[in-house]
Amino acid sequence: DAGITQSPRHKVTETGTPVTLRCHQTENHRYMYWYRQDPGHGLRLIHYSYGVKDTDKGEVSDGYSVSRSKTEDFLLTLESATSSQTSVYFCAISESPYFRDRGSYEQYFGPGTRLTVT
Amino acid sequence: AQSVTQLDSQVPVFEEAPVELRCNYSSSVSVYLFWYVQYPNQGLQLLLKYLSGSTLVESINGFEAEFNKSQTSFHLRKPSVHISDTAEYFCAVSDHGSSNTGKLIFGQGTTLQVKP
Repeated sequence: DAGITQSPRHKVTETGTPVTLRCHQTENHRYMYWYRQDPGHGLRLIHYSYGVKDTDKGEVSDGYSVSRSKTEDFLLTLESATSSQTSVYFCAISESPYFRDRGSYEQYFGPGTRLTVT
Repeated sequence: AQSVTQLDSQVPVFEEAPVELRCNYSSSVSVYLFWYVQYPNQGLQLLLKYLSGSTLVESINGFEAEFNKSQTSFHLRKPSVHISDTAEYFCAVSDHGSSNTGKLIFGQGTTLQVKP
């Protein structure tokens, strides 16, 4: 299994509080992604990173920010949590999505963080 | 924008019966296609992938999927399922166009329920 950990694994927080989720990898992969999983929606990309301090938005980025100061860590922050952000959050890593780099292409997923906003 | 549709949200099937989980994607540009499996309370695991070459790809546990470019489909099949195959299955697509970010677009998921 790819070395990906997420912390915390479970969290309950109140509306309006800030929350930070951490993804840590030991694979030295360049690309990291944050998804949220909700029933009927599959997984949707929140933000992703293509290198240290290089990040970009996904399809559901409103209300979320990210930071990547080291290759191994990718942080997801909910500045002011809302009930609509109750979800399961998955981090994923990828060696290289570039076909010509002959990388692995596929993404490896962490175990997930279940976040409940009350 | 790219989209992925999994045509069945739940597929109940008896053990040892064949199964097909359907997946269609929207774009006709060059794509990579994936099936992931998620067992209860776990993360996603890659089941199989199509990058190029043979349109029929297989996994180590008996699943196979066929890339059909004309129908923009990537259906997952298994000739005989086991109880242990009970899980949620996600189809995903990544287009290797100009952005080359490796972003995956997922379908809504199909829950395979294998009954004894």
